[in-house]
Amino acid sequence: AQSVAQPEDQVNVAEGNPLTVKCTYSVSGNPYLFWYVQYPNRGLQFLLKYITGDNLVKGSYGFEAEFNKSQTSFHLKKPSALVSDSALYFCAVRDWGSQGNLIFGKGTKLSVKP
Amino acid sequence: SAVISQKPSRDICQRGTSLTIQCQVDSQVTMMFWYRQQPGQSLTLIATANQGSEATYESGFVIDKFPISRPNLTFSTLTVSNMSPEDSSIYLCSVPDRGGLNTEAFFGQGTRLTVV
Repeated sequence: AQSVAQPEDQVNVAEGNPLTVKCTYSVSGNPYLFWYVQYPNRGLQFLLKYITGDNLVKGSYGFEAEFNKSQTSFHLKKPSALVSDSALYFCAVRDWGSQGNLIFGKGTKLSVKP
Repeated sequence: SAVISQKPSRDICQRGTSLTIQCQVDSQVTMMFWYRQQPGQSLTLIATANQGSEATYESGFVIDKFPISRPNLTFSTLTVSNMSPEDSSIYLCSVPDRGGLNTEAFFGQGTRLTVV
């Protein structure tokens, strides 16, 4: 069965510092991986995805993620955090055992302090 | 990308009543997904709604509690029936991009339901 783990409930970063939000996955087929962000009282917004190709994927708002097959990880990164990046971040994987819906991690709350 | 309009955006309902949530997409899509996000939790798939066939429900979700309609390729509704406080959640509809399963999914802004 496919699954996604986000080991950190919360990540605290000072503005201007680099940030990393961790994600590991378990899939039975090719891993199609996604990151989404949820701001308060808003729906989910797509940030980036890995389907195939380069292991370093660049996405919206300066975020990037590195796919590491040997470690089954897909950590989200940003070189310099902004206060406005404070939100809830979800890692997700395509569920090949279903009709193609996404399986989400439990989410990581990112807090960026000035 | 797909633009999804979901309504209502929020509601406060009395226990024992039902609420129907609407999801309108700006393009035709084969599959629409309904998710539930309980307070402080991740998203859990309720069901997949395909046009022209019965919705497919995930384990723990039943049609009597969450009936779904899919009258055409751009619209779907989810009803939360006989509500109890445990149904208080954010409900989201989602569609894959037109490129299919190689692409990301898009989400409505969600319906925040509070049952009192």
